[in-house]
Amino acid sequence: DQQVKQNSPSLSVQEGRISILNCDYTNSMFDYFLWYKKYPAEGPTFLISISSIKDKNEDGRFTVFLNKSAKHLSLHIVPSQPGDSAVYFCAAFPAGGTSYGKLTFGQGTILTVHP
Amino acid sequence: NAGVMQNPRHLVRRRGQEARLRCSPMKGHSHVYWYRQLPEEGLKFMVYLQKENIIDESGMPKERFSAEFPKEGPSILRIQQVVRGDSAAYFCASSPPGFGGYTFGSGTRLTVV
Repeated sequence: DQQVKQNSPSLSVQEGRISILNCDYTNSMFDYFLWYKKYPAEGPTFLISISSIKDKNEDGRFTVFLNKSAKHLSLHIVPSQPGDSAVYFCAAFPAGGTSYGKLTFGQGTILTVHP
Repeated sequence: NAGVMQNPRHLVRRRGQEARLRCSPMKGHSHVYWYRQLPEEGLKFMVYLQKENIIDESGMPKERFSAEFPKEGPSILRIQQVVRGDSAAYFCASSPPGFGGYTFGSGTRLTVV
């Protein structure tokens, strides 16, 4: 039962253009959403997050959009840089109870930014 | 301020042996989480621990796997009688009370031969 889905296994973008990574979820109890970036042989690194009371959060080149009614979120990177090439995971967790902090991850999208 | 430390980075075990994976959380972090990443998949939650307590082990296989986070020392993920399907990257994360500062370690890559 894949509660968080990233349907695009890979994305290729030209340097300077926008990268848009998508994520869908099915569990309506999810209250907090995060994006992680991961290089080979390293652990995931936190990028940006959004709570369900917001529909947009921006941090420098990274913006996350949340459409709660569609159970969809997206990460926009603009402008894209070659150093952004990595695997990107979206993750979610519910706000309360013992599941707090228990992240459910998508399968990941491999982003390649070409110079 | 050291990050989350996991050791060993790489571990090779023969089928039937035991694997012990260690995780030292960041200073001041009292919550530890273990995740497993199988090839070509995302990370899957295994267990959530606080000092001397297992809070949520809903992602742990029913047999052969156990985890602890003692009062002193690192958190340990123990896999008994390993099988080839246990080959994966195992990641630990730690956080203080509340979610802020949730940080992952670099992982332990377990290979069962």
